[in-house]
Amino acid sequence: GNSVTQMEGPVTLSEEAFLTINCTYTATGYPSLFWYVQYPGEGLQLLLKATKADDKGSNKGFEATYRKETTSFHLEKGSVQVSDSAVYFCALSDHYTGANSKLTFGKGITLSVRP
Amino acid sequence: EAQVTQNPRYLITVTGKKLTVTCSQNMNHEYMSWYRQDPGLGLRQIYYSMNVEVTDKGDVPEGYKVSRKEKRNFPLILESPSPNQTSLYFCASRRGAYNEQFFGPGTRLTVL
Repeated sequence: GNSVTQMEGPVTLSEEAFLTINCTYTATGYPSLFWYVQYPGEGLQLLLKATKADDKGSNKGFEATYRKETTSFHLEKGSVQVSDSAVYFCALSDHYTGANSKLTFGKGITLSVRP
Repeated sequence: EAQVTQNPRYLITVTGKKLTVTCSQNMNHEYMSWYRQDPGLGLRQIYYSMNVEVTDKGDVPEGYKVSRKEKRNFPLILESPSPNQTSLYFCASRRGAYNEQFFGPGTRLTVL
């Protein structure tokens, strides 16, 4: 079956530090990959996505590249801000499963950015 | 404003007392899902619906029911809640099979 593995957290960084959050996946078909962000007390918001190998998703200074050879989709940001403090989820949607194409989530990682 | 709404946002109840969590979307999306979020487990799909009167089980359907009588609404029903259903619940919708999912703000349920 499908699965998503995220690095263990939580992660605490100082403002302007470089961020990398690792994500690897296992899928039976040809997945689309996503990063969702959950700010305190809120629902999930799509941060970025990539639908095929070598695609790069980007938004709000965050980037992630779909690496089929390493089955990875690591999230990076060059300079984090306090406002980036949130829980980050890596997820995949496998087209092979047909009409459901549900999102399979990783466990999430909490990022705290201190001033 | 395009959105998914859920009610209530917070609910504390007792074992065995039937409850319904409502979900509504104003984007005319065909697909809707319910997820639960538990610490260390991420989000897991409970049920999904591909259109009106079409629903099916997700990964963790036990103890839950859903209905889809109208395109915009997808209520989650707990006929006899138990403490292991204490969780944070999210409703989501999307237009097509492979498009972005939009999430509601969540419902935090506690079953005593």
